[in-house]
Amino acid sequence: GNSVTQMEGPVTLSEEAFLTINCTYTATGYPSLFWYVQYPGEGLQLLLKATKADDKGSNKGFEATYRKETTSFHLEKGSVQVSDSAVYFCALGGGSNYKLTFGKGTLLTVNP
Amino acid sequence: KAGVTQTPRYLIKTRGQQVTLSCSPISGHRSVSWYQQTPGQGLQFLFEYFSETQRNKGNFPGRFSGRQFSNSRSEMNVSTLELGDSALYLCASSPTAGSDTEAFFGQGTRLTVV
Repeated sequence: GNSVTQMEGPVTLSEEAFLTINCTYTATGYPSLFWYVQYPGEGLQLLLKATKADDKGSNKGFEATYRKETTSFHLEKGSVQVSDSAVYFCALGGGSNYKLTFGKGTLLTVNP
Repeated sequence: KAGVTQTPRYLIKTRGQQVTLSCSPISGHRSVSWYQQTPGQGLQFLFEYFSETQRNKGNFPGRFSGRQFSNSRSEMNVSTLELGDSALYLCASSPTAGSDTEAFFGQGTRLTVV
């Protein structure tokens, strides 16, 4: 079945540091890949997505590229802000099972 | 456009009781999914409905059930509550029939079983 593995946190960075959160997946077929973000006390919000190999999703300075050869979808941001502190989830979807499969989540804390 | 609305936001129930959670999707969205979020297990899929039909169910006991109404609103029910059912229950809606497009999540219902 489908599965997602993302780096375990927590990750603590200083403001303006570079961020990478690794995500790899196992899936049959050609899944769509997503990064969701969850702020304290809130539900999940879509951060970015990619639907086919070599697609790059980007939003709010975050980027991730769908790498089929390495089955990866790593999240990056060149300069994090305190307001980026949240839990980040990598997920895959698509196919006939009508569900998203999530990684365990990575807690990011950015200090001023 | 209103987002996904889940009610209630917080619930405290006693072991053995049952509970019903409600989800109103974004207008025009026909797919509604439910997820359970816990610190230990993360986000786990419960079930998905499209046009009142359950198309997939996660690996949860039969105490967990759901339904979808003709206006796409959905409810999930948990009977004979156990302490381990304490979790954040998230509902998500999507505009299309597949899971390859964005899912819009509600703020969740925090269920505490004592």
